Amino acid sequence: AQKVTQAQTEISVVEKEDVTLDCVYETRDTTYYLFWYKQPPSGELVFLIRRNSFDEQNEISGRYSWNFQKSTSSFNFTITASQVVDSAVYFCALSEDSGNQFYFGTGTSLTVIP
Amino acid sequence: DAGITQSPRHKVTETGTPVTLRCHQTENHRYMYWYRQDPGHGLRLIHYSYGVKDTDKGEVSDGYSVSRSKTEDFLLTLESATSSQTSVYFCAISTPGTGGETQYFGPGTRLLVL
Repeated sequence: AQKVTQAQTEISVVEKEDVTLDCVYETRDTTYYLFWYKQPPSGELVFLIRRNSFDEQNEISGRYSWNFQKSTSSFNFTITASQVVDSAVYFCALSEDSGNQFYFGTGTSLTVIP
Repeated sequence: DAGITQSPRHKVTETGTPVTLRCHQTENHRYMYWYRQDPGHGLRLIHYSYGVKDTDKGEVSDGYSVSRSKTEDFLLTLESATSSQTSVYFCAISTPGTGGETQYFGPGTRLLVL
């Protein structure tokens, strides 16, 4: 079974629109960690955020915000006032305290149209 | 910058030939990982290492072997390359400890097997 599901394969928005990328995870561990990575067209993987399972406080960093809800096993990522530079593939990932492996979703390709 | 380099960055090879990819890190991280990235699959773990000469298999280890004779180098070998191994390969490191430490990625190696 897929541990991390990113149901949105591709999203297109017009510049300045807000967009939310969904991530649903599955784990039996009580301690786990969630991540978002960005892969721009240049191909590198850039770490954006890490969240611990025992900290459900939402986080905001500039135009980026993350909504962590244990009740729905979701860790969604919102970009406010999107810009062309936000065009990238975004990956959600899960790490469980019982192991050393990361489990990645299949990614969401975001295109911001000028 | 996590001080990770990969070589070569691009390689074209023929079916049946052995191929070795190198990952080099400069910051003495204990854990190193090899992933492959394919459309529709996200990133999948091939092998990882938790110390010199200590390695373990990941989700898609068939047809691959690894070696770690020095802390700074983690080699991935395709014993007899097949077209299904055409992919982008990423190396990653994480700081010591149980799951939850952030993984940082190298720039990737594009491999084409003809």
